[in-house]
Amino acid sequence: GAVVSQHPSWVICKSGTSVKIECRSLDFQATTMFWYRQFPKQSLMLMATSNEGSKATYEQGVEKDKFLINHASLTLSTLTVTSAHPEDSSFYICSARVKNGRGRARISTDTQYFGPGTRLTVL
Amino acid sequence: AQTVTQSQPEMSVQEAETVTLSCTYDTSESDYYLFWYKQPPSRQMILVIRQEAYKQQNATENRFSVNFQKAAKSFSLKISDSQLGDAAMYFCAYRRGWNAGNMLTFGGGTRLMVKP
Repeated sequence: GAVVSQHPSWVICKSGTSVKIECRSLDFQATTMFWYRQFPKQSLMLMATSNEGSKATYEQGVEKDKFLINHASLTLSTLTVTSAHPEDSSFYICSARVKNGRGRARISTDTQYFGPGTRLTVL
Repeated sequence: AQTVTQSQPEMSVQEAETVTLSCTYDTSESDYYLFWYKQPPSRQMILVIRQEAYKQQNATENRFSVNFQKAAKSFSLKISDSQLGDAAMYFCAYRRGWNAGNMLTFGGGTRLMVKP
């Protein structure tokens, strides 16, 4: 299958600092990566969509200067939470769309594959 | 805008029994995909099953099947022979069109508990 990793899996930081979260597609190239936010006992809310080499598209209400997304390659996207505050504490999940699944068993270009998530706690 | 509604915040089922999770959606599109994702305590999102709107036949995947009622905009998930490992949050999701680069819209989720 298609594996997506996230690093770190859990981070604790002080208020005012910046935190970078990495999302990697390990065994495939991703045309598009998505960043979601999930509060406790709630559903996933899409924050932004990013395509390799272009600027991310942010959902309404998401501050692009607060949540910086860089999609430098077909296997890596990063989300940087700048000047983090306690209200930014959440679970952040990325997903990726496969660029080319030809010849790959149980892998589809028609599906988003999710990373395991990153828990951010801002003190 | 598309919306996805899961009216059951929590459900419970006895091990080996069958349970059905409900999902309704609202869209004016004719081409779309519907998904059920499972999120166990590990928080890893796992695709359970998907349905293309143009297909009349209900999707099945081992013990998991859907009842897709396009006119009613209903997309329920049936889990047969429930197992303890099925305990998780289940999210129904909608995606407009054939392009997997389109965003997913998730429902609020249903927590499924499986009793031994």
